[in-house]
Amino acid sequence: DVVVTQSPLSLPVTLGQPASISCRSSQSLVSSDGNTYLIWLHQRPGQSPRRLIYFVSNRDSGVPDRFSGSGSGTDFTLKISRVEAEDVGVYYCTQVIHWPHTFGQGTKLEIK
Amino acid sequence: EVQLVESGGGLVQPGGSLRLSCAASGFTFSGFWMNWLRQAPGKGLEWVANINQDGTLKFYVDSVKGRFTISRDNADNSLFLQMNSLRAEDTAVYYCAAGLAHWAQGTLVTVSS
Repeated sequence: DVVVTQSPLSLPVTLGQPASISCRSSQSLVSSDGNTYLIWLHQRPGQSPRRLIYFVSNRDSGVPDRFSGSGSGTDFTLKISRVEAEDVGVYYCTQVIHWPHTFGQGTKLEIK
Repeated sequence: EVQLVESGGGLVQPGGSLRLSCAASGFTFSGFWMNWLRQAPGKGLEWVANINQDGTLKFYVDSVKGRFTISRDNADNSLFLQMNSLRAEDTAVYYCAAGLAHWAQGTLVTVSS
């Protein structure tokens, strides 16, 4: 199975400050169709996950532009330019090209 | 409005069965790969199974192969997960998701005697 590794697992951030989460996969996530099948999700406490970003860097509708995704191949990053209170929760990256699809361990973002 | 509404969770004894349902509305159900994922209490997310748009391709995580069956009814905009031979380690909140773009609220499955 493809191993997806996130870091850090815990991320205390001051409001208004930037945050960055790393996601690395044990195999390339590039498909023959040219797309890279890496997705970022956000799960607030007590809620279902919500997709933020697909194909590495494409923001979903309604996702604030303070969220950005980057990377290629096996190495990816989610950045929040200025953290707001509503950004707390757990962030997951997941690869959806190799079955079984696999998730990173999750990164818990909290406000300092 | 996009909606995915699950039903069928609950408490079941080890070795028992449950059938989860997920009713979709507000989007083109037949255009999406559909997925079942789960989250054990206090743990991260885990893929369980998925099915392609016309139901001809199905994939399962190894831990549920031979015990769980995913299916869909595009005429009724519904997704199902038949779970047999349930084990304590299957205890989790189960989510259905359209691609990963749309998620249901989750339904708790507890396997315990």
